[in-house]
Order: sequence, then C-alpha cells, then structure tokens
Amino acid sequence: QVQLQESGPGLVKPSETLSLTCTVSGDSINGYYWTWIRQPPGKALEWIGYIYYGGGTNYNPSLRSRVTMSVDTSKNQFSLKLNSVAAADTAVYYCARGKEMSRVIYFDYWGQGTLVTVSS
Amino acid sequence: DIQMTQSPSSLSASVGDRVTITCRASQSVTKYLNWYQHKAGKAPKLLIYAVSNLQSGVPSRFSGSGSGTDFTLTISSLQLEDFATYYCQQIYSTPYTFGQGTKLEIK
Repeated sequence: QVQLQESGPGLVKPSETLSLTCTVSGDSINGYYWTWIRQPPGKALEWIGYIYYGGGTNYNPSLRSRVTMSVDTSKNQFSLKLNSVAAADTAVYYCARGKEMSRVIYFDYWGQGTLVTVSS
Repeated sequence: DIQMTQSPSSLSASVGDRVTITCRASQSVTKYLNWYQHKAGKAPKLLIYAVSNLQSGVPSRFSGSGSGTDFTLTISSLQLEDFATYYCQQIYSTPYTFGQGTKLEIK
C-alpha cells in the first residue's frame, strides 16, 4: 500500500522559508509526478506544482517565483520550499502522487496533509 | 487559468438517495477531468479520472460523465460513508485547478 507522509514545521514566520518533505513508502519514487497541493482555510484546493522523478518541474505561475521542489530518490522523498511567506500562505499542505495514463494525470495517493501557519 | 465551478456548494441528502454534483469549466477541458472525495482530517481520495474511469477500489455506485465544459458526478445510492466534500479538478492545462467543493451532508 502506497503511503505519503508530510513533515516539517507547523509554524513559519513571515518573510521566512516554508520547508516541507514528503516521504513515500510502499512504492518507488520513480515514474511519477510528485505534487504539492494546498488548501487555505475556507478556500479551494490550489495546485502548487509537481516535480517529475527525473527532476523536471512544473510550478503554478502564481507561485513560481517563490517555489522550489526537489526529489531525493535515494530516500524516496521529495520536498517543497516556499520562500518569502506571508499570512496568505497559511494552509494545509498536501503531497500527492501524480500518475499519467494516456496523457491524463491523476493524483491517486495523497498524504493526510499538514497545517502550516505563517505568523510571528 | 481555467476556472472550475461546482454546484451546488452544499447538499443535504439521505441514505439511499441518488445525488448528482455538477462541475463546469470556464473553457473546454475535453476529457481531462478528475473527481476526488475528501473527509476532514484525512487524505483526499481519487474517485474518477478522465471523466468516467472509476479508480480501483471505488464502489460502482459512483459514476462520472460529461465532456467539454460540463461534467457530473453521480452517486446512485448514498451510503453513510459517502458524506464528505467532493472536488472536481481539470488536468487539461497547468495550472491544474479545482472546483470550490461540494459538501454532502446528512439530511
């Protein structure tokens, strides 16, 4: 059974960098689109971007200037860094596995999510 | 960005009811439309991908249809475990976008 687990600080100060890691168990990290999605309180889900296992990335243009994703195949982990955070970045952050079939990408496994609050 | 609009935003129904949730895209997304179920505090769950393909392990009471800009998720006979929030998502073009969600509550 594939499982994903987010980890990282639950509280980040404004202007600092949010850093999260997602650990994948039950399958190899190879061959998928490793994705970050967030949900601010009371708002819709927002796709942050993905990193392909080979290292290629695709970020949401609204966050592109502040986002960096990386993957560590030796640890079966991938990571998110979001710099210069503000209160609007307060959200539950989810990691998810993106699988492609006939050009359709779908997110078939998700972590439970981790709440990150931006506050001084 | 492609805007996804779900209706209704919330819905009260009873066990055994047939329920339909609609999702409209601001432009055609052809077949690139997925549906997810989310219960508070849990990982979201993929129900349907590419409009009508049931994810492995998902009960057959769930079905999806549509094309272009208008899509529906139908639950043929509601069970207790189906009360949750449902999201549509387009994966036609990045940034991938989600609907605002439909909260399905017990009547």
